[in-house]
Amino acid sequence: AQKVTQAQTEISVVEKEDVTLDCVYETRDTTYYLFWYKQPPSGELVFLIRRNSFDEQNEISGRYSWNFQKSTSSFNFTITASQVVDSAVYFCALSDTGRRALTFGSGTRLQVQP
Amino acid sequence: SQTIHQWPATLVQPVGSPLSLECTVEGTSNPNLYWYRQAAGRGLQLLFYSVGIGQISSEVPQNLSASRPQDRQFILSSKKLLLSDSGFYLCAWSDFRPNTEAFFGQGTRLTVV
Repeated sequence: AQKVTQAQTEISVVEKEDVTLDCVYETRDTTYYLFWYKQPPSGELVFLIRRNSFDEQNEISGRYSWNFQKSTSSFNFTITASQVVDSAVYFCALSDTGRRALTFGSGTRLQVQP
Repeated sequence: SQTIHQWPATLVQPVGSPLSLECTVEGTSNPNLYWYRQAAGRGLQLLFYSVGIGQISSEVPQNLSASRPQDRQFILSSKKLLLSDSGFYLCAWSDFRPNTEAFFGQGTRLTVV
């Protein structure tokens, strides 16, 4: 069975600090996909990134970067120089052949203080 | 481009009343469709998903049902709401190919009183 764990329930940082959101997953498949979503106060989930299990290269998009490590079953998300607009709940999710829908973690609420 | 519409945005219903939430997708064909529920301060729980018209899979036993009368229409229903049905309901779609990202509607905040 699939499982996604986001151990950090809530993180509070001051603007311009770097912050890393942790995500640990469990799956029996060798082929799987990992995702990150952002849920701002408006409630709609916004897709951020998808990575497949064969691509362990880190990815950077502006102030966002993702670190995928198969050895530790982790897919962590770092925001560099955080801004108030980054305040949201962030969800990590997993998709594998055993299930047609995404399995989500419980989310991490990030609060960026000015 | 693809868009997903979900309505209503907010809803307050008395216990025992029926429920109907509707979701439609535009700009794509044969999408996979999903209903998730998010209880206050918690993660997303998959309620139903559908890979085609009339094909509904239920993830957890509950007081709700889903239907897909048309290719791009997904409806969440209940005959009699319970207090525990309160929550934030999100509709989503994904490409019919497996392991693709899902795109979400704006959600319906349901309060059962």
